[in-house]
Amino acid sequence: EAGVTQFPSHSVIEKGQTVTLRCDPISGHDNLYWYRRVMGKEIKFLLHFVKESKQDESGMPNNRFLAERTGGTYSTLKVQPAELEDSGVYFCASSPLGAGYNEQFFGPGTRLTVL
Amino acid sequence: GESVGLHLPTLSVQEGDNSIINCAYSNSASDYFIWYKQESGKGPQFIIDIRSNMDKRQGQRVTVLLNKTVKHLSLQIAATQPGDSAVYFCAEKDRGNNDMRFGAGTRLTVKP
Repeated sequence: EAGVTQFPSHSVIEKGQTVTLRCDPISGHDNLYWYRRVMGKEIKFLLHFVKESKQDESGMPNNRFLAERTGGTYSTLKVQPAELEDSGVYFCASSPLGAGYNEQFFGPGTRLTVL
Repeated sequence: GESVGLHLPTLSVQEGDNSIINCAYSNSASDYFIWYKQESGKGPQFIIDIRSNMDKRQGQRVTVLLNKTVKHLSLQIAATQPGDSAVYFCAEKDRGNNDMRFGAGTRLTVKP
């Protein structure tokens, strides 16, 4: 079974530019999460999709970040315009729906560097 | 605010020794805890989990201990191997949220 995949693996852009990150969850997983790890600090939650709906976006830092999950499959996270403090590793995770406690399966992350 | 944190940022052990990685949390509503392992260039990988109705859970070479009284979580790795070298994160969630809250991570280095 294919795991969570993310594209690109690395992105280097200049301040003010736009970058779009993509996440393909495990097939059949309705829950999709975005996280970010900045400068070796803790991994922080950004937002959570259930299918195509945003369940919780309380972790989104500001309106320069826009996440979408059209059709409830893959998701994109756009940063526009990018700022220096946006540099970090962006992780996507997915899990199946259902009651109980579910492990979240993480992708390898996208390392974003804003110069 | 609520937080999840780690006592030690780095840990170095000799191959074959046992490793103990500690984690403190402050959210009394947390009821599910996970340890993740992250190797270089990869995303966090699930190691073991525990629910708040338990105080100990064992896996293959790993044991997680939960002390709800002092809000402390630990990961014990038996007979540590070079392949165990990685950054270890504890994470917690409560019934009211779907997001995981992570600690800063502990880097485990295994010396041959």
